[in-house]
Amino acid sequence: DGGITQSPKYLFRKEGQNVTLSCEQNLNHDAMYWYRQDPGQGLRLIYYSQIVNDFQKGDIAEGYSVSREKKESFPLTVTSAQKNPTAFYLCASSALLGTGMEEQYFGPGTRLTVT
Amino acid sequence: AQTVTQSQPEMSVQEAETVTLSCTYDTSESDYYLFWYKQPPSRQMILVIRQEAYKQQNATENRFSVNFQKAAKSFSLKISDSQLGDAAMYFCALIMYNNNDMRFGAGTRLTVKP
Repeated sequence: DGGITQSPKYLFRKEGQNVTLSCEQNLNHDAMYWYRQDPGQGLRLIYYSQIVNDFQKGDIAEGYSVSREKKESFPLTVTSAQKNPTAFYLCASSALLGTGMEEQYFGPGTRLTVT
Repeated sequence: AQTVTQSQPEMSVQEAETVTLSCTYDTSESDYYLFWYKQPPSRQMILVIRQEAYKQQNATENRFSVNFQKAAKSFSLKISDSQLGDAAMYFCALIMYNNNDMRFGAGTRLTVKP
């Protein structure tokens, strides 16, 4: 089965701790994305990556970091600098632009709660 | 900057009836894609339908169809013969040909009444 996996589904952390959210895809997609979803605000882009070892900041990158060492993996670290980390985080992937398959495929999401 | 606006936070429809969800967008580009995604209570985002801006013909997928008005920058979703399983949040999204930055609207919560 081809798809995107995110783990864990629910994650709890204490304030001041860094936490890493996992995202893996076996769709052979070049591009991967991280979004944050808050109630009433839709999805906001945190980071995206078009190729291995390269990534760009989205609108709300502050307090987050990513890496792209493998095509299949795009982990997101929520650092202690992120002021309001409690949210639902969605990972997505897509083929590169110009292929005619630009829609993004989403993982099941991770609900992060920081107390 | 590109923006997407969904002016209906909530909509409801009777089972088997038709409902239209509105979406407007703003971009200075002429080449882009538009999408409608569905997010049921499971929170899994599912692609409903897509439209290429260069195509004049409106996209259809079974009971789902769009009314794409490029000049008006409008992209509404029509759901025919609504089913209980259609109840979800629906997001309109826009992506340019020249970058990977997809913009989403705030969403419309659709309730289907039996």
